[in-house]
Amino acid sequence: AQSVTQLGSHVSVSEGALVLLRCNYSSSVPPYLFWYVQYPNQGLQLLLKYTSAATLVKGINGFEAEFKKSETSFHLTKPSAHMSDAAEYFCAVSATGANSKLTFGKGITLSVRP
Amino acid sequence: KAGVTQTPRYLIKTRGQQVTLSCSPISGHRSVSWYQQTPGQGLQFLFEYFSETQRNKGNFPGRFSGRQFSNSRSEMNVSTLELGDSALYLCASSPEPGSGETQYFGPGTRLLVL
Repeated sequence: AQSVTQLGSHVSVSEGALVLLRCNYSSSVPPYLFWYVQYPNQGLQLLLKYTSAATLVKGINGFEAEFKKSETSFHLTKPSAHMSDAAEYFCAVSATGANSKLTFGKGITLSVRP
Repeated sequence: KAGVTQTPRYLIKTRGQQVTLSCSPISGHRSVSWYQQTPGQGLQFLFEYFSETQRNKGNFPGRFSGRQFSNSRSEMNVSTLELGDSALYLCASSPEPGSGETQYFGPGTRLLVL
């Protein structure tokens, strides 16, 4: 069975600072990994996904994530935070096969200080 | 192309009632999944439909059911509502089922059970 761990529930950074949101996964087979963002009163929007084509994945809004199999990690980064990045971020995993089910982490709320 | 639409957006029910939520996937998408989001349990998979057939089901009681129509639109039903069913219910669609497919989420239906 797959699982995702997102350490910490809240991260606060200053505008212009590096954003680092951590995600570790557990999967018995090579996984597909996703980062989604949720703004208040909205659904989830895909930031990026890893499907084994490349270990460094670039997404929308300047975000990127690096897949590290040895560390079972898929941390999300952005070099310079913007006020509009304040939202909740979810890491998710799905196993290979015909199963579309996503298993999500608990989510991390990102605050950006002016 | 229009995104995933969910109706209604907000709903208030009382314990013991039943409720039906509707989801229209992105045009051309044939796979629809449902998730429940609560502050305590986070995002949890409910079920997945493809070609009018339930392909996968999460760990929820039988009070939760769903169906998919020939035009790929989907409904989920919750009978005998309990206070704990208060949640944001998210629908997601993808072109085909499968773990590598990106799931596109709707804005959700917020259900409050009194």
